[in-house]
Amino acid sequence: DAMVIQNPRYQVTQFGKPVTLSCSQTLNHNVMYWYQQKSSQAPKLLFHYYDKDFNNEADTPDNFQSRRPNTSFCFLDIRSPGLGDAAMYLCATSSRVYSNQPQHFGDGTRLSIL
Amino acid sequence: SQQGEEDPQALSIQEGENATMNCSYKTSINNLQWYRQNSGRGLVHLILIRSNEREKHSGRLRVTLDTSKKSSSLLITASRAADTASYFCATARGSTLGRLYFGRGTQLTVWP
Repeated sequence: DAMVIQNPRYQVTQFGKPVTLSCSQTLNHNVMYWYQQKSSQAPKLLFHYYDKDFNNEADTPDNFQSRRPNTSFCFLDIRSPGLGDAAMYLCATSSRVYSNQPQHFGDGTRLSIL
Repeated sequence: SQQGEEDPQALSIQEGENATMNCSYKTSINNLQWYRQNSGRGLVHLILIRSNEREKHSGRLRVTLDTSKKSSSLLITASRAADTASYFCATARGSTLGRLYFGRGTQLTVWP
């Protein structure tokens, strides 16, 4: 089945140690999104790619970066994770950038910071 | 910043009962979407209602939209224990193509 896959499901890193989360999709969608979701809170959009066009949200912390080497893969890099970055990170895709398309989510990576 | 605010934050009902969740938002929208999230999983798209629509059905789901009151409701009829999940509304605005703004969600628990 076509889907959005996030690896790993659980990631533990140390305070300040860089970490990379990955997302792949078999839907061949043009748009990929990264969200941060803290416990009992709303998913918060960090950035999205429309093809290779990168769009950063204004309040996304500077130590969060993203790469999209091809249509299928997208990575979230956290350069120097702080305790406040512990959260579930969700990757999503949509077929077009226009907002009348539903988004398809992966099961997320839960990031813990020691 | 979040756009939607769901009400109630938590809802507990028995199987067979109907569950109604409400969502309010602040600015004009292109459409409003409802998503479901099982514990520890990603979000699953349930239904999308456009700003020029007032009601939409999908199986046991019924969504209404009142743009004059900037509010929407999600009704799940004849609920089942498997409906236990968090339900989020998300709004899409014309000025921010492709972006969805989620509320905090309603945690629904359906007891067998």
